[in-house]
Amino acid sequence: AQSVTQLGSHVSVSEGALVLLRCNYSSSVPPYLFWYVQYPNKGLQLLLKYTSAATLVKGINGFEAEFKKSETSFHLTKPSAHMSDAAEYFCAVRTSYDMRFGAGTRLTVKP
Amino acid sequence: NAGVTQTPKFRVLKTGQSMTLLCAQDMNHEYMYWYRQDPGMGLRLIHYSVGEGTTAKGEVPDGYNVSRLKKQNFLLGLESAAPSQTSVYFCASSYPTSGSYEQYFGPGTRLTVT
Repeated sequence: AQSVTQLGSHVSVSEGALVLLRCNYSSSVPPYLFWYVQYPNKGLQLLLKYTSAATLVKGINGFEAEFKKSETSFHLTKPSAHMSDAAEYFCAVRTSYDMRFGAGTRLTVKP
Repeated sequence: NAGVTQTPKFRVLKTGQSMTLLCAQDMNHEYMYWYRQDPGMGLRLIHYSVGEGTTAKGEVPDGYNVSRLKKQNFLLGLESAAPSQTSVYFCASSYPTSGSYEQYFGPGTRLTVT
């Protein structure tokens, strides 16, 4: 069965610093992987997705993620954090009919 | 396009009361889902539907029922609410075309059961 594990429930960075949010997946078939962002009291918004085309995927708001099959990872990065990036981030893997989500990582950005 | 909308946005119930949450989408999506979100647990699938008139159980279906009488609507019912059902409920929809399975989410319904 497909699943994802997000490493770190909370990540804190300074404004302008690198953002790295970790996600490892488990899948018996080539996975479709997603990152979603949730701002306070809002629904989830798609940041980016991997669908077996390019291994480096660029998303909205300057985020990108790299699919590494050898490491079963799909980490999310952004070179320079902005205060507006403070939110909760979810990694997800597609199953046959729905998605399985990680527990989420709350990103705090310090001025 | 309104996308995915949910009604109501907030609700407080007493234990044993019933209610229905309504989800509507205007994107002509085939698949619809109901999730619950609890702190530290991500989103867990309650029920889903792959088309009008069809529903199926997800990860945590107990205590909930659903109906998909029209393609654009997906209803989630709580027959006898319990405090354990205090949560934020999200509806989502998707169109299962090849290579594109992302889900589009509604704004959520915050339910408190006292």
